[in-house]
Amino acid sequence: AQKITQTQPGMFVQEKEAVTLDCTYDTSDQSYGLFWYKQPSSGEMIFLIYQGSYDEQNATEGRYSLNFQKARKSANLVISASQLGDSAMYFCAMREPPYTGGGNKLTFGTGTQLKVEL
Amino acid sequence: NAGVTQTPKFQVLKTGQSMTLQCAQDMNHEYMSWYRQDPGMGLRLIHYSVGAGITDQGEVPNGYNVSRSTTEDFPLRLLSAAPSQTSVYFCASSYSPGLAGTGELFFGEGSRLTVL
Repeated sequence: AQKITQTQPGMFVQEKEAVTLDCTYDTSDQSYGLFWYKQPSSGEMIFLIYQGSYDEQNATEGRYSLNFQKARKSANLVISASQLGDSAMYFCAMREPPYTGGGNKLTFGTGTQLKVEL
Repeated sequence: NAGVTQTPKFQVLKTGQSMTLQCAQDMNHEYMSWYRQDPGMGLRLIHYSVGAGITDQGEVPNGYNVSRSTTEDFPLRLLSAAPSQTSVYFCASSYSPGLAGTGELFFGEGSRLTVL
């Protein structure tokens, strides 16, 4: 079974509107971390936001917020006031234990291509 | 700050040739890893290292070799290139999770490899 599922291969949003990118995950661990990365057409991977499984509040970073619903195992990314520069591929990723000795391995979803239109 | 530097950015190989993708980081990160990105499949972990002299396999290690002789460098070797290894390769580094913030991965710019 996929550990990270992003069901929206492509999304369109109008400039200045908000958009939600879906991410569901599967884990039996209690301690885990969830990440969102942005990949513009230039190809680099840009870290956006992180949510730890024990964090009680949803993470926010500027126009990005993570809608964390632990019981539903979802970690949706919300982008407010979309800008043309937000057009990119967005990846959800999860880190599971063990961390000590096991490093910092992330499992990525297949991504959502977001297009912001005028 | 250079961050994570990968070379080369582009490479074309013939089937059976070998090559090394170089990766260096200047952030004193103990953790380094290699991912490959293929259309519709996201990023998949090839190999990783938790410190100098320590490496381990990820999800898709076959056909690749790594070593970590220093904290800074983590080269990825393709032993005998195959068309199935045509992909974009990313090197990433981080602190150990929990020691310094979120432990997010810092990525290089990627290396696009084509095997004919």
